[in-house]
Amino acid sequence: DVKVTQSSRYLVKRTGEKVFLECVQDMDHENMFWYRQDPGLGLRLIYFSYDVKMKEKGDIPEGYSVSREKKERFSLILESASTNQTSMYLCASSLESGPTYEQYFGPGTRLTVT
Amino acid sequence: GQNIDQPTEMTATEGAIVQINCTYQTSGFNGLFWYQQHAGEAPTFLSYNVLDGLEEKGRFSSFLSRSKGYSYLLLKELQMKDSASYLCAVMDSNYQLIWGAGTKLIIKP
Repeated sequence: DVKVTQSSRYLVKRTGEKVFLECVQDMDHENMFWYRQDPGLGLRLIYFSYDVKMKEKGDIPEGYSVSREKKERFSLILESASTNQTSMYLCASSLESGPTYEQYFGPGTRLTVT
Repeated sequence: GQNIDQPTEMTATEGAIVQINCTYQTSGFNGLFWYQQHAGEAPTFLSYNVLDGLEEKGRFSSFLSRSKGYSYLLLKELQMKDSASYLCAVMDSNYQLIWGAGTKLIIKP
């Protein structure tokens, strides 16, 4: 079974803090993704990575950065957390190619910025 | 722009059949996905359609019409555990997933 894990299920941070969200996958997937999910909105892509040290901006990269130093690990960084970054953050991974390009998701991190 | 539309919420009765519709307008098309997401949990993959027609997988079936930009997810013999949100997503020409907001399905006894 594919397993995607995220470092925290719940996180509370103060405005202006630097926040690190970690994601690890154990299936040797090339692609990794960070999304945020807010009520009434679809998943929105923040950043993705096709390979180690490679990163691409998604639809809403402002206020975020990412790091992928190892194939299995993809980190999302909030440089200076703001209240509008309160959200559910979902990490996902997938194979580079395949019949379905299915994405496997981690359990999510619910981040509250006060 | 790119757009995925699906109903916000639907209610159905245990044992019945429900159809969740999804319409899309995207830049290119490389397949349509349905995911299930229980409250507080991660989305899990249900189905993938890239050709027109019906794909059946147990109690769940997914249909695609590329010419109409339309898909539906059909759930038969509903069970209480089917109460969840169902997410429709389309892979565009850049192989990026465009997500709908999801349909919350409520199953009543």
